[in-house]
Amino acid sequence: KNQVEQSPQSLIILEGKNCTLQCNYTVSPFSNLRWYKQDTGRGPVSLTIMTFSENTKSNGRYTATLDADTKQSSLHITASQLSDSASYICVVKRGNTPLVFGKGTRLSVIA
Amino acid sequence: KAGVTQTPRYLIKTRGQQVTLSCSPISGHRSVSWYQQTPGQGLQFLFEYFSETQRNKGNFPGRFSGRQFSNSRSEMNVSTLELGDSALYLCASSSLTGGYDQETQYFGPGTRLLVL
Repeated sequence: KNQVEQSPQSLIILEGKNCTLQCNYTVSPFSNLRWYKQDTGRGPVSLTIMTFSENTKSNGRYTATLDADTKQSSLHITASQLSDSASYICVVKRGNTPLVFGKGTRLSVIA
Repeated sequence: KAGVTQTPRYLIKTRGQQVTLSCSPISGHRSVSWYQQTPGQGLQFLFEYFSETQRNKGNFPGRFSGRQFSNSRSEMNVSTLELGDSALYLCASSSLTGGYDQETQYFGPGTRLLVL
């Protein structure tokens, strides 16, 4: 079954700290993996897209990694800010079929 | 460029009614996808349109339908509303100029539908 599992479901960290969010997938055939950030009341915004041959990609303080052999990805947030409070959604594309979404990790950054 | 716009932003309906939601993609984008987002299920794919043709459809009942117009604007319709249809409905557009595999989807703010 084509699935995307994310952990943890929720996370609370202090401002300035780093954190890592996890994504495991069983989607096949794999085309690419995306991380989205969704602020409350808004639509998701793309952070990174990685294909099979890429194992790391950065977007500012966000760094995504991909291990296509173990079918795992992580999103590392450095020096967190209050504005990082959001849901982070891992999404896998399977060939030319629609995207498969994880249920997201709810991150709260507190002062 | 203006982003993806969706109307209305909020909607309250009662069971059995029908509803039509509208999405205007980013100018020049010809692909529009619709998603349903609920707290329990997360984001689920409804359908995708490209140049007025439905290219993919998710596992939703026939009460959910959509269409795309020649100007790429899209509408989705839900008939005979049920309580479980309460959700955030998101529309996303993409240009596909970079190839289907790498295209970035740009999401609208969504329409929050509440069915009473």
